[in-house]
Amino acid sequence: DAKTTQPPSMDCAEGRAANLPCNHSTISGNEYVYWYRQIHSQGPQYIIHGLKNNETNEMASLIITEDRKSSTLILPHATLRDTAVYYCIVRVDGAGGTSYGKLTFGQGTILTVHP
Amino acid sequence: DSGVTQTPKHLITATGQRVTLRCSPRSGDLSVYWYQQSLDQGLQFLIQYYNGEERAKGNILERFSAQQFPDLHSELNLSSLELGDSALYFCASSPDRTDTQYFGPGTRLTVL
Repeated sequence: DAKTTQPPSMDCAEGRAANLPCNHSTISGNEYVYWYRQIHSQGPQYIIHGLKNNETNEMASLIITEDRKSSTLILPHATLRDTAVYYCIVRVDGAGGTSYGKLTFGQGTILTVHP
Repeated sequence: DSGVTQTPKHLITATGQRVTLRCSPRSGDLSVYWYQQSLDQGLQFLIQYYNGEERAKGNILERFSAQQFPDLHSELNLSSLELGDSALYFCASSPDRTDTQYFGPGTRLTVL
């Protein structure tokens, strides 16, 4: 699985958009970008994932650059409850690859939302 | 609530002991994954089962073993426990072998 690089920490004001960047310059064509978050020792929570098109769901938007070497997770209106560690992970989906379904977590970005 | 359940929530035991952690996947999910999160190592993949069969292994110690039963629940057995085994242990499940994983609330193991 490709390595990812994320800033160790970010701050955001409540009600504003939080934009979390992720660099994955060695991503392969069949690797998806996944985002999870972990709120204070709770189980990691799935947020969103995508291959090359931008994706949006009820939690967030995922913007992937055209060359797929980086992506941005956008929380449109951050709340205090969005304070968490955010993990960007790239992995092969489908039946390919020998690593099957494992997720390789890095250090993530600690997002702190301020009142 | 992800739909994945783990028991117990907390476990305190002594060095040298053996414990069993239990995981019930979301209804219909065939794959179960185990992860360990310690302060110094972060979240690490241990092992994956798919429909009762082991599919992938990560950094799982030989003192640790797991299995997935016909009803698809899984157990992680940790033996000859050491202080360094103190960690959060998470279970995740997915419908197939490589689909999106949904995590349980975890079991916090403390070895004294």
